[in-house]
Amino acid sequence: AQSVTQLGSHVSVSEGALVLLRCNYSSSVPPYLFWYVQYPNQGLQLLLKYTTGATLVKGINGFEAEFKKSETSFHLTKPSAHMSDAAEYFCAVSDSSNTGKLIFGQGTTLQVKP
Amino acid sequence: NAGVTQTPKFQVLKTGQSMTLQCAQDMNHNSMYWYRQDPGMGLRLIYYSASEGTTDKGEVPNGYNVSRLNKREFSLRLESAAPSQTSVYFCAGQQGAGEQFFGPGTRLTVL
Repeated sequence: AQSVTQLGSHVSVSEGALVLLRCNYSSSVPPYLFWYVQYPNQGLQLLLKYTTGATLVKGINGFEAEFKKSETSFHLTKPSAHMSDAAEYFCAVSDSSNTGKLIFGQGTTLQVKP
Repeated sequence: NAGVTQTPKFQVLKTGQSMTLQCAQDMNHNSMYWYRQDPGMGLRLIYYSASEGTTDKGEVPNGYNVSRLNKREFSLRLESAAPSQTSVYFCAGQQGAGEQFFGPGTRLTVL
């Protein structure tokens, strides 16, 4: 069965520092992978996704993620954190049954310090 | 376009009461989903509907029922609410195997 593990439930960085949020997945089929962001009291918004093709995926707000099949990872990065990046981030993998269902990780709360 | 809308935004129930959470989408999505979000547990799928007229159980269906009224609407019903159902509920729509689009959520408290 598919699963997603996000390492670190809370990550704290200084404004301007590198953001690295880790995501590892297990999947028996080539996965579709997603990162979503959730701002306080809001729904989830797609940051970026990997389906096929280029393994380095660029998303909104300067975020990017790299699909590494050998490491079963899809880590999210941003070169320079901004205060507005403070939010909860979820990694998700598509279900192997091809129904479109997503399996979500537990989430990582990003704190950005001034 | 409104995207995915949910009503109500907030609700407080007493144990044993029933209620229906409403979800509607104007994005022509075939698939719709209901999730619950609890601290430290991410999003867990309650029920989903791959197309109009079909529904299937997700990871945590006990205590819930759903209705896919038409292509636009997918409702979630709690027949007899329990404190363990205190959570934030999200509805989402999806076309094919692409991204899911989420509503703003319903915060439910069961006393």
